[in-house]
Amino acid sequence: GENVEQHPSTLSVQEGDSAVIKCTYSDSASNYFPWYKQELGKGPQLIIDIRSNVGEKKDQRIAVTLNKTAKHFSLHITETQPEDSAVYFCAAVRDSNYQLIWGAGTKLIIKP
Amino acid sequence: ETGVTQTPRHLVMGMTNKKSLKCEQHLGHNAMYWYKQSAKKPLELMFVYNFKEQTENNSVPSRFSPECPNSSHLFLHLHTLQPEDSALYLCASSQGTDYGYTFGSGTRLTVV
Repeated sequence: GENVEQHPSTLSVQEGDSAVIKCTYSDSASNYFPWYKQELGKGPQLIIDIRSNVGEKKDQRIAVTLNKTAKHFSLHITETQPEDSAVYFCAAVRDSNYQLIWGAGTKLIIKP
Repeated sequence: ETGVTQTPRHLVMGMTNKKSLKCEQHLGHNAMYWYKQSAKKPLELMFVYNFKEQTENNSVPSRFSPECPNSSHLFLHLHTLQPEDSALYLCASSQGTDYGYTFGSGTRLTVV
């Protein structure tokens, strides 16, 4: 079955710098890759996603890149702000089933 | 609010108690999920309901019993739980997996 590995488990960056979180997946049939942000006391919230027919997608300060050959995808946050501090989860799924396979999460800390 | 509401937000129960968690969504989604979130572990899928029919049960102990009376409501009935069942229980809904999940804020369960 699918397995998703996420690194690093904790990432501390200076406010204004960029942050990159990486995930690898094992099932080459996976074709949808969402990223979720979980703030303290809340459930995860979808922030960006990418499909396997696209290599990169941007939404303001966040972007996701996908390398299907290497089976990895990354979340990039530029010009980080204090409100970016949260736990970020990647996931992978095939269209043929309803199960998202989740990474273990990355705690992002933005230092003032 | 995300459109997925979970109650209660916090629950403390003894090992011999019976309690229920409730989840409600008014997003018109056709799939609903129960997840368990423990510290430093990936999200664990417990149950999936698609059009009110249970489609997944990921080897969850029988002390957890789901109920989906309609496509907008989902319950998780709890009885004779163990201390290791203490966790954040998250409900989510989706319109298939193509559109990402919408999560509730979770119920923080403590078993004493």
